[in-house]
Parts: sequence; C-alpha cells; structure tokens
Amino acid sequence: NAGVTQTPKFRILKIGQSMTLQCTQDMNHNYMYWYRQDPGMGLKLIYYSVGAGITDKGEVPNGYNVSRSTTEDFPLRLELAAPSQTSVYFCASRYLANGDFAEAFFGQGTRLTVV
Amino acid sequence: RKEVEQDPGPFNVPEGATVAFNCTYSNSASQSFFWYRQDCRKEPKLLMSVYSSGNEDGRFTAQLNRASQYISLLIRDSKLSDSATYLCVVRGSGGSNYKLTFGKGTLLTVNP
Repeated sequence: NAGVTQTPKFRILKIGQSMTLQCTQDMNHNYMYWYRQDPGMGLKLIYYSVGAGITDKGEVPNGYNVSRSTTEDFPLRLELAAPSQTSVYFCASRYLANGDFAEAFFGQGTRLTVV
Repeated sequence: RKEVEQDPGPFNVPEGATVAFNCTYSNSASQSFFWYRQDCRKEPKLLMSVYSSGNEDGRFTAQLNRASQYISLLIRDSKLSDSATYLCVVRGSGGSNYKLTFGKGTLLTVNP
C-alpha cells in the first residue's frame, strides 16, 4: 500500500493563478480531509469528505474547492491564488465505521508559495 | 477556552530526562483523543491514542482526565530521536464526529 499520496510536493504560484493539489489513497478509507498548516500554528481544516460524492466545508474553506468523484481521490482546487494561501497543505484519510480511535493517515504535504 | 490548547513550549531536555506535555480541550462531549508526532517538514503520524484508563507504550504514557478535560503525554528516558513536535488531537462528538481538531503542537528538542 502506498497510503496517502500527494502531488506536487512543492509549488510556486503567482497571484491570481490557479492549481489543483492532488490527493489519492489506496486504503479504501471513507473519510478524507484537507488541512493547511501555517508556521507555529495547528492544522486547520479546509474541507472534508465522508465518502464519494459528499464534501463539506471545514474551518477555512474560502478560496478553495474540492470534489470527491471516487473513494480514492480528493483533489483541492485553488482558483485565484493569494499570498494568504502560502502554506503547507496536508491531505489525510481515515476509515470511520464503529471505531472511535481510527487513525488518520497523512500525505507528505505540499509546500505552496504564492508570490 | 480554545478547542484544543497545548503547552506552548519549546522544551529542551537532556537525553535520559523525563518530560511531560499537557493539553486541555473545551468540548466536554469529546470522545476520542490522540497524540500525533510531527518531525520537521514532515507529515503528522499517530504516536498513540489516549484511552480513559490511561495507556502506556514503552517509554510513552498517555493519561486522560475527563473531569478536568485534560490530556497528558509523559516521555521517560528521552532519546535524541524523540525530538519532534507533539500534537494533541481531539475528535468531535455527535454530528462533528468527522472532525479532528489539532492543537498548535509542542516542540521537543532532546540534547546530547
């Protein structure tokens, strides 16, 4: 199993450009998440999905969009990049059925700089 | 009170020391608690879940005090390889059971 795979690992964008951060998992997990982590701050939830076709906003969704057409993939779209979106982005997944203590697995992160 | 609040750190300790991290959470209905470890420029990884009765995994002990809404992590006999940021994580309850809320993390540096 590859686990959670994110691409790209690094990206520099100019203000106003758009891009898609890719995330795929091969563990058949139902829940998937996108977080951003700013220096010295905790992870903030951007969007999450409880299964294919179902997505919902987290704490900081403005400026982002997501889709979940398959169980495996959960891409994050930035339409008009702004300097405030400079951050490290982590995708995560977990299988939540009856287990309260299901572990969340994270991708290696995407370091995005908007200039 | 913030949803999840941790000791701000950083902690600098010598090898072999015992170090304790504290975390408080605001939602008394929260059911599941975790400690994650994050190495520099890496993704978070689960260190251990925190059970009501407390649990131990080698040199690591986690405790939960529901009455005080307090979680702790104790590391005994610190190793250089324990240097990392430790994240306290709380899972929401009821309609928010999808949600994992992360503390800001506490940086630990173990010195030779």
